[in-house]
Amino acid sequence: GQQLNQSPQSMFIQEGEDVSMNCTSSSIFNTWLWYKQDPGEGPVLLIALYKAGELTSNGRLTAQFGITRKDSFLNISASIPSDVGIYFCAALNNDMRFGAGTRLTVKP
Amino acid sequence: KAGVTQTPRYLIKTRGQQVTLSCSPISGHRSVSWYQQTPGQGLQFLFEYFSETQRNKGNFPGRFSGRQFSNSRSEMNVSTLELGDSALYLCASSLNPSSNYEQYFGPGTRLTVT
Repeated sequence: GQQLNQSPQSMFIQEGEDVSMNCTSSSIFNTWLWYKQDPGEGPVLLIALYKAGELTSNGRLTAQFGITRKDSFLNISASIPSDVGIYFCAALNNDMRFGAGTRLTVKP
Repeated sequence: KAGVTQTPRYLIKTRGQQVTLSCSPISGHRSVSWYQQTPGQGLQFLFEYFSETQRNKGNFPGRFSGRQFSNSRSEMNVSTLELGDSALYLCASSLNPSSNYEQYFGPGTRLTVT
C-alpha cells in the first residue's frame, strides 16, 4: 500500500527543547492526522487537518497540512518528560495510511 | 463519553488455533477499522466496517476476517494462527467512513502466538 515517509525515526532531546517531525508522500491525501502512542496503548489522536495549508495548534503542539496535500509536519514546543512516546502521522483517502513513527525521548 | 474498548487486552494462543477479538466503538460511531501493529511492519490496515458491511480491506490473507453487528460492535477472527500473527491488534472507530473523519483508537489486544 501507499507509504508515508516519516522522519526522523527517533529523537533524543533535552527537556525544554522544541521538536519537529514531518511526513511526506508521493500521493495526495484529503486528511492528515497526528497520533501519539504510549507503550502498551493505542494511538491517541493529537491533531486532525482537513484543508491544504491549514495550521492547527493544540497546546504546545502545532501541525500543518502541506499546501501540495502530500505532506504534513508536527512541532512540539518546550518539550516535557511526558512528551515521551511514539508519534505517528496518518493520512486518509479511502483508508488510513500510517508513517513508521518517530520515537521521542526527552531527557529531564 | 466512553472510549473505544477492546477485549481481551492480552491473549496467548498456539499455532493452528483460531482467535476472535472484540471491539466496541465510541457511542454513536458507526465505522470500525482494524489494524495490525508489529515492530517490523508498523501499523497496517486490516479492514473497515460500516453499517455491518465491509467497506475496505487491506492486504492480508483470507485467514483474517471480521464482521460488524447492528449495534456497531465489531469482531475480527484469525484462523489457523501463525507465529507471525503475533502483534498488537488495534480497533478504531469514527462517526462515518474513514475518508472524512478522524478515527479514535482502542487500547489494543496483544496477541502472542507460540
